[in-house]
Amino acid sequence: SQTIHQWPATLVQPVGSPLSLECTVEGTSNPNLYWYRQAAGRGLQLLFYSVGIGQISSEVPQNLSASRPQDRQFILSSKKLLLSDSGFYLCAWRLGEWESTEAFFGQGTRLTVV
Amino acid sequence: GQNIDQPTEMTATEGAIVQINCTYQTSGFNGLFWYQQHAGEAPTFLSYNVLDGLEEKGRFSSFLSRSKGYSYLLLKELQMKDSASYLCAVMDSNYQLIWGAGTKLIIKP
Repeated sequence: SQTIHQWPATLVQPVGSPLSLECTVEGTSNPNLYWYRQAAGRGLQLLFYSVGIGQISSEVPQNLSASRPQDRQFILSSKKLLLSDSGFYLCAWRLGEWESTEAFFGQGTRLTVV
Repeated sequence: GQNIDQPTEMTATEGAIVQINCTYQTSGFNGLFWYQQHAGEAPTFLSYNVLDGLEEKGRFSSFLSRSKGYSYLLLKELQMKDSASYLCAVMDSNYQLIWGAGTKLIIKP
């Protein structure tokens, strides 16, 4: 069966510090991978998605970047965090770029920038 | 633009029935998804509709009318553990998921 791992679960970082959140998927090949951010009481904002190694699409220009160094690994990074980067970050995967398949989510990372 | 509307919050009583509505305007349509999200946790998949009509899964049912751009999630025999946010998401013509803001459901004893 497929599983998705995302870590860490919680993170408190000072303003101006770097960020690296990692997500890995097991049990499937060539998944579509996604990074979302969810503000308190709000919906999911798509940040980045990837349909293959090295292929990254950015939905919202901001202080973050993403990379996919391996087929089942997706990394969200920042060189210098801002207070506005605080939020709940979710990694997700689904199969089939051009198919209607459900997305499966990692446990999420609660990031607080102080 | 693309838009999905859901009520912000609903309250219901344990054992009762509640209907959570979702209306959408998207660039194309390739299916509608409902997710449940408990506070502080990740969303989990509940249901998928791509054709008009009702899909039933135990205590949960989901309905779709494509001509009206409308869906609802029906929860029966409510339990305290059903207290959560319910997210509606539509897959558009590019097979991207467009998310509603979610409906926070509060269950009272």
